[in-house]
Amino acid sequence: QVQLQESGPGLVKPSQTLSLICTVSGGAISSGANYWSWIRQRPGKGLEWIGYIFHSGSTYYNPSLKSRVTISGDTSKNQFSLKLSSVTAADTAVYYCARGQWDLLPGDDWYFDLWGRGTLVTVSS
Amino acid sequence: QSVLTQPPSVSAAPGQRVTISCSGSSSNIGNNYVSWYQQLPGTAPKLLIHENNKRPSGIPDRLSGSKSGTSATLGITGLQTGDEGDYYCAAWDTRLSAVIFGGGTKLTVL
Repeated sequence: QVQLQESGPGLVKPSQTLSLICTVSGGAISSGANYWSWIRQRPGKGLEWIGYIFHSGSTYYNPSLKSRVTISGDTSKNQFSLKLSSVTAADTAVYYCARGQWDLLPGDDWYFDLWGRGTLVTVSS
Repeated sequence: QSVLTQPPSVSAAPGQRVTISCSGSSSNIGNNYVSWYQQLPGTAPKLLIHENNKRPSGIPDRLSGSKSGTSATLGITGLQTGDEGDYYCAAWDTRLSAVIFGGGTKLTVL
């Protein structure tokens, strides 16, 4: 079955760039109509969707984070990655990668059917 | 404060039924579909319901979802201690152009 696993530094200094990788096993990120997504959860808070990369390579970012986010994919390694620039303490969170699904029914039907275990990233000097 | 409003906590006894509400607006729940997630302590969220009321394979039928107007509800019957955790609703918001999540509801099985 398809599994997702996040990896990357657990500590990032303020003003630097947070970089994480999600490795997908059991299925190719280049196949199927999947929206490979990043979602974060700040300590004691709810979930925040960051954005996705589609199997075609197209991307979309949450407008609230768009100016600082880059999501890219590496089909040869079956990975996709997140870069978040100019981080502050407010970016301290558990970061999850997830497989998103979308249908236009009418009305948008968005959901995330597979999640990685998450990785804690702390922004601190 | 989340755009989708959920009660901070709900509780019920084992074997009982509980409902968790999720209130939104016409830009999200009113015109789009709702999904629900369960997050057990120390684990990643897990999809319970999508398209308002559809259960993925492996989710028992004691969980159900419904939507009316700009609100959605998750129902759980036959409560078990293993159901304790946080529950989140989510939907696409047309005005914000993003997937948004509710603030989460902590379920306690007394």
